[in-house]
Amino acid sequence: QVQLVESGGGVVQPGGSLRLSCAASGFTFSSYGMHWVRQAPGKGLEWVAFIRYDGSNKYYADSVKGRFTISRDNSKNTLYLQMNSLRAEDTAVYYCAKDSIVGANGVHAFDIWGQGTMVTVSS
Amino acid sequence: AIQLTQSPSSLSASVGDRVTITCRASQGISSALAWYQQKPGKAPKLLIYDASSLESGVPSRFSGSGSGTDFTLTISSLQPEDFATYYCQQFNSYVTFGQGTKLEIK
Repeated sequence: QVQLVESGGGVVQPGGSLRLSCAASGFTFSSYGMHWVRQAPGKGLEWVAFIRYDGSNKYYADSVKGRFTISRDNSKNTLYLQMNSLRAEDTAVYYCAKDSIVGANGVHAFDIWGQGTMVTVSS
Repeated sequence: AIQLTQSPSSLSASVGDRVTITCRASQGISSALAWYQQKPGKAPKLLIYDASSLESGVPSRFSGSGSGTDFTLTISSLQPEDFATYYCQQFNSYVTFGQGTKLEIK
């Protein structure tokens, strides 16, 4: 079945780095844009980043621009989020999500979500 | 950045009630709006896309309407499994989520 599985979360000190992965299965990964979305404990959803199906376009939320990098390896059906210069306010569950429109240049609704991976930034 | 304001922030209702949640955008977004349901400890689930299109597998008691700046999500007859938090999302210009509406049992 269609599935997204995140990994790579954990506890990291402020200023540290972490790389999240999202393994996709059950659909043609290389045909869909992908997103990262986060949710701080007890808070709402915050979009983090988007990458086009072919990796040619990337968009970021202002809160992570210059610190986080989204990438993908279509040969491995895997999405990544490299997080540098982490801050306490980056503490959250991080979800990867699939864009709903095949081969699209822009962004659309997110029809498949992973279960999330927790990132805690604390000394 | 486009801001989305949901109202109410929380809502108490009973099984069988008709419920409406509103989402207002800070500028026009055409029909580039989706609604999600999230239960505690779970990932969000897509309910409505393009403002009024029902996602496959979602019960027909859920419906969406609106365009431009004002949108609504309606649940025609609440079921026990509908008690959750609901988020609107715009994708006209990057992505923004509303702050959420927590629907609780009265």
